[in-house]
Amino acid sequence: IAGITQAPTSQILAAGRRMTLRCTQDMRHNAMYWYRQDLGLGLRLIHYSNTAGTTGKGEVPDGYSVSRANTDDFPLTLASAVPSQTSVYFCASSAEVSGNEQFFGPGTRLTVL
Amino acid sequence: QQPVQSPQAVILREGEDAVINCSSSKALYSVHWYRQKHGEAPVFLMILLKGGEQKGHDKISASFNEKKQQSSLYLTASQLSYSGTYFCGTEDGGTYKYIFGTGTRLKVLA
Repeated sequence: IAGITQAPTSQILAAGRRMTLRCTQDMRHNAMYWYRQDLGLGLRLIHYSNTAGTTGKGEVPDGYSVSRANTDDFPLTLASAVPSQTSVYFCASSAEVSGNEQFFGPGTRLTVL
Repeated sequence: QQPVQSPQAVILREGEDAVINCSSSKALYSVHWYRQKHGEAPVFLMILLKGGEQKGHDKISASFNEKKQQSSLYLTASQLSYSGTYFCGTEDGGTYKYIFGTGTRLKVLA
């Protein structure tokens, strides 16, 4: 692995189903983030993590949960998907949470029907 | 509270210059700039920190006016590879929350 990876690349999901988007980085970055990107709205922060074991809410956290059990992994879970969660999801990481460039994963395109 | 970017879109010829502006209604700790090509992830260009420190790309410059809560990205002698959507991202000091602008679509023509 080099950098930051996400899985799956794309997914079509029925409304009401549970879904976990995976994110893994091998740069030993302390901070990690989840964003969603919708046309015309840019990137919006869902949740973030300063360091392993801690998480925080971003701009649009409702309907999503995260965990940070270790440095490398930062999964995003949709407990019961709704059509408004159709979006492209990007995971990102940075060395520290403040004042550092963010490296983005390739994204997951999620469609909720 | 989303930063406002201007212009929303711009078309250039190769070799021309462009300026993209980012304005926030809140006091800022840092401003980030990213470029995203269609279907790809955003890529880091520049970060400007409160106090004047800058980190970033050799061929792209930017300014950060803390008092006015504004940042500008300067693209000089544009190349075809500069085409894409440019986003500014702003960080509220102490909150660790990044808020991105809606983007500026830039197209460079040969």
